[in-house]
Amino acid sequence: DTEVTQTPKHLVMGMTNKKSLKCEQHMGHRAMYWYKQKAKKPPELMFVYSYEKLSINESVPSRFSPECPNSSLLNLHLHALQPEDSALYLCASSRRDWDIVGELFFGEGSRLTVL
Amino acid sequence: GENVEQHPSTLSVQEGDSAVIKCTYSDSASNYFPWYKQELGKRPQLIIDIRSNVGEKKDQRIAVTLNKTAKHFSLHITETQPEDSAVYFCAAKGGERGSTLGRLYFGRGTQLTVWP
Repeated sequence: DTEVTQTPKHLVMGMTNKKSLKCEQHMGHRAMYWYKQKAKKPPELMFVYSYEKLSINESVPSRFSPECPNSSLLNLHLHALQPEDSALYLCASSRRDWDIVGELFFGEGSRLTVL
Repeated sequence: GENVEQHPSTLSVQEGDSAVIKCTYSDSASNYFPWYKQELGKRPQLIIDIRSNVGEKKDQRIAVTLNKTAKHFSLHITETQPEDSAVYFCAAKGGERGSTLGRLYFGRGTQLTVWP
Protein backbone atom coordinates (compact mmCIF):
# COMPACT_ATOMS: atom_id res chain seq x y z
CA ASP A 1 0.00 0.00 0.00
CA THR A 2 1.69 3.21 -1.18
CA GLU A 3 -1.10 5.64 -0.58
CA VAL A 4 -2.36 8.16 1.91
CA THR A 5 -6.11 7.78 2.18
CA GLN A 6 -8.39 10.56 3.34
CA THR A 7 -12.07 10.49 4.24
CA PRO A 8 -14.48 11.99 3.57
CA LYS A 9 -13.65 13.39 0.13
CA HIS A 10 -16.27 16.12 0.52
CA LEU A 11 -17.80 17.59 3.66
CA VAL A 12 -20.39 20.33 4.11
CA MET A 13 -20.97 21.55 7.63
CA GLY A 14 -22.67 24.36 9.47
CA MET A 15 -20.82 26.67 11.81
CA THR A 16 -22.21 24.89 14.88
CA ASN A 17 -21.44 21.35 13.71
CA LYS A 18 -18.71 19.04 14.95
CA LYS A 19 -17.07 16.84 12.36
CA SER A 20 -13.81 15.00 11.81
CA LEU A 21 -11.48 14.40 8.90
CA LYS A 22 -9.57 11.13 8.81
CA CYS A 23 -6.28 10.14 7.27
CA GLU A 24 -4.61 6.76 7.05
CA GLN A 25 -1.29 5.46 5.74
CA HIS A 26 0.16 1.97 5.95
CA MET A 27 3.62 2.73 4.63
CA GLY A 28 5.26 2.84 8.08
CA HIS A 29 5.94 6.54 7.70
CA ARG A 30 7.31 8.36 10.74
CA ALA A 31 5.71 11.77 10.32
CA MET A 32 2.21 12.87 9.37
CA TYR A 33 0.98 16.32 8.43
CA TRP A 34 -2.13 18.41 7.95
CA TYR A 35 -2.10 21.10 5.30
CA LYS A 36 -4.81 23.56 4.28
CA GLN A 37 -5.07 24.64 0.65
CA LYS A 38 -7.23 27.43 -0.71
CA ALA A 39 -8.04 27.61 -4.42
CA LYS A 40 -5.08 28.59 -6.60
CA LYS A 41 -2.79 28.85 -3.55
CA PRO A 42 0.00 26.61 -2.24
CA PRO A 43 -0.59 24.25 0.67
CA GLU A 44 -0.16 25.84 4.12
CA LEU A 45 1.20 23.75 6.98
CA MET A 46 -1.10 23.36 9.97
CA PHE A 47 0.23 20.50 12.13
CA VAL A 48 3.03 17.94 12.14
CA TYR A 49 3.08 14.70 14.13
CA SER A 50 6.27 12.79 14.65
CA TYR A 51 6.13 9.32 16.19
CA GLU A 52 2.52 10.08 17.18
CA LYS A 53 3.50 13.22 19.09
CA LEU A 54 2.58 16.73 18.02
CA SER A 55 5.79 18.42 16.87
CA ILE A 56 4.51 21.52 15.09
CA ASN A 57 1.36 23.61 15.49
CA GLU A 58 1.51 26.57 13.15
CA SER A 59 -0.61 28.77 15.43
CA VAL A 60 -3.77 27.14 14.16
CA PRO A 61 -7.05 28.29 15.82
CA SER A 62 -8.33 25.92 18.49
CA ARG A 63 -11.44 25.16 16.44
CA PHE A 64 -9.11 22.74 14.62
CA SER A 65 -7.97 19.92 16.90
CA PRO A 66 -5.57 17.25 15.61
CA GLU A 67 -5.25 13.75 16.97
CA CYS A 68 -2.89 10.90 16.18
CA PRO A 69 -4.36 7.70 17.71
CA ASN A 70 -1.56 5.52 16.30
CA SER A 71 1.25 5.60 13.78
CA SER A 72 -1.08 4.95 10.84
CA LEU A 73 -3.94 7.29 11.63
CA LEU A 74 -4.33 11.03 11.81
CA ASN A 75 -7.56 12.88 12.55
CA LEU A 76 -8.55 16.51 12.39
CA HIS A 77 -11.51 17.41 14.59
CA LEU A 78 -13.53 20.43 13.49
CA HIS A 79 -15.79 22.50 15.70
CA ALA A 80 -17.39 25.93 15.35
CA LEU A 81 -15.73 26.62 12.02
CA GLN A 82 -16.12 29.79 10.01
CA PRO A 83 -16.98 30.10 6.30
CA GLU A 84 -13.39 31.24 5.64
CA ASP A 85 -12.22 27.81 6.81
CA SER A 86 -13.67 26.33 3.62
CA ALA A 87 -10.73 24.79 1.78
CA LEU A 88 -9.10 21.56 0.68
CA TYR A 89 -7.52 19.82 3.68
CA LEU A 90 -4.58 17.69 2.70
CA CYS A 91 -3.00 14.99 4.82
CA ALA A 92 0.57 13.97 4.07
CA SER A 93 3.17 11.59 5.40
CA SER A 94 6.90 11.18 5.08
CA ARG A 95 9.08 8.13 5.48
CA ARG A 96 11.62 9.90 7.62
CA ASP A 97 11.09 12.35 10.44
CA TRP A 98 9.78 15.80 9.61
CA ASP A 99 13.09 17.60 10.06
CA ILE A 100 14.96 15.28 7.68
CA VAL A 101 14.82 15.78 3.92
CA GLY A 102 12.54 13.47 2.02
CA GLU A 103 9.40 13.22 -0.07
CA LEU A 104 5.99 14.20 1.21
CA PHE A 105 3.21 11.85 0.12
CA PHE A 106 -0.09 13.67 -0.08
CA GLY A 107 -3.59 12.25 0.17
CA GLU A 108 -6.29 13.35 -2.27
CA GLY A 109 -7.68 15.75 0.28
CA SER A 110 -11.00 16.46 1.95
CA ARG A 111 -12.85 19.38 0.42
CA LEU A 112 -14.59 21.22 3.25
CA THR A 113 -17.39 23.74 2.82
CA VAL A 114 -18.58 25.66 5.87
CA LEU A 115 -21.99 27.26 5.51
CA GLY B 1 11.79 32.64 8.04
CA GLU B 2 12.21 31.36 4.50
CA ASN B 3 10.65 33.18 1.51
CA VAL B 4 10.20 31.35 -1.79
CA GLU B 5 9.38 33.37 -4.90
CA GLN B 6 8.16 31.58 -8.05
CA HIS B 7 7.89 32.89 -11.61
CA PRO B 8 6.02 33.03 -13.85
CA SER B 9 2.55 32.63 -12.35
CA THR B 10 1.19 31.43 -15.68
CA LEU B 11 2.97 29.85 -18.63
CA SER B 12 1.52 28.77 -21.97
CA VAL B 13 3.55 26.74 -24.43
CA GLN B 14 2.93 24.80 -27.61
CA GLU B 15 3.17 21.04 -27.45
CA GLY B 16 6.75 19.96 -28.02
CA ASP B 17 8.27 23.19 -26.74
CA SER B 18 10.22 23.50 -23.50
CA ALA B 19 8.95 25.12 -20.30
CA VAL B 20 11.06 26.68 -17.57
CA ILE B 21 9.84 27.73 -14.13
CA LYS B 22 12.13 29.60 -11.76
CA CYS B 23 12.21 29.93 -7.98
CA THR B 24 14.35 31.89 -5.57
CA TYR B 25 14.71 31.35 -1.84
CA SER B 26 16.05 33.53 0.93
CA ASP B 27 17.45 31.17 3.59
CA SER B 28 20.90 29.86 2.75
CA ALA B 29 20.39 27.00 5.25
CA SER B 30 17.57 25.48 3.16
CA ASN B 31 18.73 22.05 2.05
CA TYR B 32 16.02 20.34 0.01
CA PHE B 33 14.09 21.59 -3.01
CA PRO B 34 11.16 19.53 -4.30
CA TRP B 35 8.83 20.30 -7.19
CA TYR B 36 5.19 19.26 -6.98
CA LYS B 37 2.67 18.95 -9.81
CA GLN B 38 -0.99 19.42 -8.98
CA GLU B 39 -3.67 18.69 -11.56
CA LEU B 40 -7.10 20.22 -11.11
CA GLY B 41 -8.91 18.59 -8.21
CA LYS B 42 -6.00 16.25 -7.48
CA ARG B 43 -3.32 15.91 -4.86
CA PRO B 44 0.13 17.50 -5.20
CA GLN B 45 2.58 14.90 -6.48
CA LEU B 46 6.34 15.05 -6.31
CA ILE B 47 7.86 15.10 -9.79
CA ILE B 48 11.49 15.76 -8.98
CA ASP B 49 13.60 16.97 -6.07
CA ILE B 50 17.15 18.06 -5.46
CA ARG B 51 19.29 18.28 -2.36
CA SER B 52 21.59 21.17 -1.59
CA ASN B 53 24.76 19.18 -2.30
CA VAL B 54 23.74 18.57 -5.95
CA GLY B 55 23.68 21.08 -8.79
CA GLU B 56 21.50 19.32 -11.33
CA LYS B 57 19.20 16.32 -11.56
CA LYS B 58 17.38 14.88 -14.54
CA ASP B 59 14.54 12.39 -14.92
CA GLN B 60 13.53 11.78 -18.53
CA ARG B 61 11.90 15.03 -19.76
CA ILE B 62 12.20 16.80 -16.44
CA ALA B 63 15.30 18.42 -14.95
CA VAL B 64 16.00 20.65 -11.99
CA THR B 65 19.01 22.91 -11.51
CA LEU B 66 20.15 24.50 -8.28
CA ASN B 67 22.46 27.48 -7.84
CA LYS B 68 23.19 27.72 -4.12
CA THR B 69 25.29 30.86 -4.44
CA ALA B 70 22.50 32.75 -6.15
CA LYS B 71 19.83 30.93 -4.12
CA HIS B 72 17.72 29.94 -7.09
CA PHE B 73 16.49 26.72 -8.62
CA SER B 74 14.62 25.97 -11.82
CA LEU B 75 12.40 23.31 -13.32
CA HIS B 76 12.91 22.44 -16.98
CA ILE B 77 10.38 20.38 -18.92
CA THR B 78 11.34 19.42 -22.47
CA GLU B 79 9.08 18.11 -25.26
CA THR B 80 5.99 19.25 -23.38
CA GLN B 81 2.72 17.34 -23.78
CA PRO B 82 -0.88 18.38 -23.05
CA GLU B 83 -0.87 16.10 -20.00
CA ASP B 84 1.88 18.28 -18.49
CA SER B 85 -0.78 20.98 -18.02
CA ALA B 86 -1.14 21.55 -14.27
CA VAL B 87 -0.07 23.85 -11.46
CA TYR B 88 3.56 23.38 -10.47
CA PHE B 89 4.80 24.35 -6.99
CA CYS B 90 8.42 24.71 -6.02
CA ALA B 91 9.37 24.40 -2.36
CA ALA B 92 12.35 24.79 -0.08
CA LYS B 93 12.90 22.91 3.17
CA GLY B 94 14.36 24.84 6.07
CA GLY B 95 17.63 23.46 7.39
CA GLU B 96 18.49 25.82 10.24
CA ARG B 97 17.69 24.94 13.85
CA GLY B 98 14.88 27.17 15.00
CA SER B 99 11.62 28.23 13.50
CA THR B 100 12.43 27.18 9.93
CA LEU B 101 13.88 23.71 10.57
CA GLY B 102 12.08 21.01 8.65
CA ARG B 103 9.33 23.24 7.36
CA LEU B 104 8.51 23.12 3.66
CA TYR B 105 8.00 26.59 2.20
CA PHE B 106 6.07 26.62 -1.06
CA GLY B 107 6.19 29.05 -3.93
CA ARG B 108 2.88 30.50 -5.12
CA GLY B 109 2.60 28.14 -8.06
CA THR B 110 2.79 28.29 -11.85
CA GLN B 111 -0.19 27.35 -14.01
CA LEU B 112 1.32 25.60 -17.02
CA THR B 113 -0.88 25.14 -20.08
CA VAL B 114 0.39 23.07 -23.00
CA TRP B 115 -1.58 23.63 -26.21
CA PRO B 116 -1.83 20.76 -28.69
